[in-house]
Amino acid sequence: DGGITQSPKYLFRKEGQNVTLSCEQNLNHDAMYWYRQDPGQGLRLIYYSQIVNDFQKGDIAEGYSVSREKKESFPLTVTSAQKNPTAFYLCASSGQETQYFGPGTRLLVL
Amino acid sequence: EDQVTQSPEALRLQEGESSSLNCSYTVSGLRGLFWYRQDPGKGPEFLFTLYSAGEEKEKERLKATLTKKESFLHITAPKPEDSATYLCAVRESGGSYIPTFGRGTSLIVHP
Repeated sequence: DGGITQSPKYLFRKEGQNVTLSCEQNLNHDAMYWYRQDPGQGLRLIYYSQIVNDFQKGDIAEGYSVSREKKESFPLTVTSAQKNPTAFYLCASSGQETQYFGPGTRLLVL
Repeated sequence: EDQVTQSPEALRLQEGESSSLNCSYTVSGLRGLFWYRQDPGKGPEFLFTLYSAGEEKEKERLKATLTKKESFLHITAPKPEDSATYLCAVRESGGSYIPTFGRGTSLIVHP
C-alpha cells in the first residue's frame, strides 16, 4: 500500500531533551512537509523540502530541525529550545498538486 | 487578514439534516482548492481538489463546489459517521506551492 507513515504515535519528552519524529513515504513524492496542529489554531508549517538535501523554514521553525538525506524520509527533531512542544505533529508529501498526510504523532511533555 | 476563512467554526446537525460548510479565500489567482476530512487524533484525509469556478465534485454524501471567491462543501442527509473536522486549503497560482489552510469546521451529526 502506498502512503505515509509516522512514528511513534505518541512521544514523551523530558525537560532539556531532543526528540526525533519519523516520517516515511513510498508515494515517490518529491516534496515533504512538517506541520504542527494545536487546538483552535489550524495547521502551521514548520519545515518543508522540495528535493533531497534541501529544505526551507516554514512559519514556526524555531526550536525544530530537519534533514532530507533520502527522498522517502524527512525526520523532524524537536530540540530543547522549543519551549512549548506539546502538540500534534503531521507529516505530508505532495507530487504535482495535492498534499497527502500521515497519521500524526502526538508529543507530550513529562 | 486570513487568506482562507472557514465557517462556521462548529456545526451540529441531526442525522438526515442537510447543510453546507463554507470556505472563502482571498488569493489573487487560484491554482487549486483542496478539501480534507480529519477525525480526532488522525491525519487529514484528502477528499477533493477543485481548480476553476463552476467545478463540482461528489463523493457519497459530500459535494464540493467552487466559485471565484468561495467553495462550499454540501453534506446531504448526513450520518453520524460524517462527524469530523473538515479542512479547506488553497494554493495560489504564481506564488508559493505551499497551500494555505483554513482553521476548519467541526461537524457533529447526532443520531
